[in-house]
Amino acid sequence: GENVEQHPSTLSVQEGDSAVIKCTYSDSASNYFPWYKQELGKRPQLIIDIRSNVGEKKDQRIAVTLNKTAKHFSLHITETQPEDSAVYFCAASRRGGADGLTFGKGTHLIIQP
Amino acid sequence: ETGVTQSPTHLIKTRGQQVTLRCSSQSGHNTVSWYQQALGQGPQFIFQYYREEENGRGNFPPRFSGLQFPNYSSELNVNALELDDSALYLCASSLAYEQFFGPGTRLTVL
Repeated sequence: GENVEQHPSTLSVQEGDSAVIKCTYSDSASNYFPWYKQELGKRPQLIIDIRSNVGEKKDQRIAVTLNKTAKHFSLHITETQPEDSAVYFCAASRRGGADGLTFGKGTHLIIQP
Repeated sequence: ETGVTQSPTHLIKTRGQQVTLRCSSQSGHNTVSWYQQALGQGPQFIFQYYREEENGRGNFPPRFSGLQFPNYSSELNVNALELDDSALYLCASSLAYEQFFGPGTRLTVL
């Protein structure tokens, strides 16, 4: 089955700086890669996703890049703000909502004031 | 549009008991997936239901079972509870690619 590795497990950045979280996956048939943000005691929230037919997607301060050949994808957050502090999870699946997601172990992002 | 809801919020059971957790899908979503999230870990896929049929299953034993109803709401049943079943149980509903999560049920097994 699919295996998703996520790094780093903890990331501390100064407010206003950029943050990058990286994930690798094992199943070459995976073609949908969402990112979720989970604040303490809350539900995972979908913040951005990418499908295998594109290499990059942006939404304001957030971007995701995908390299299918190398089987890795990354989340980029620019101009970080205190409200970006949370645990971020990457995930992968073959058929999006018609399939179970395989998650990474998460990255605890800490924004230092 | 109503989001995904789950009940109950918290539950405490003892080892060997059985539990039923409930999930109401986001309006119009016909697929429900269930996940187990242990403390400090990412969610793990349990199974998925599409139009009342099981549509895929993760690496969980048969004592984890489910149902989906005609209105697309869903139940997760766990028999013979073990201490390791203590976790946050999340359901997610979807119509196409995106999966939207409910707030979860925190299950504690003593």
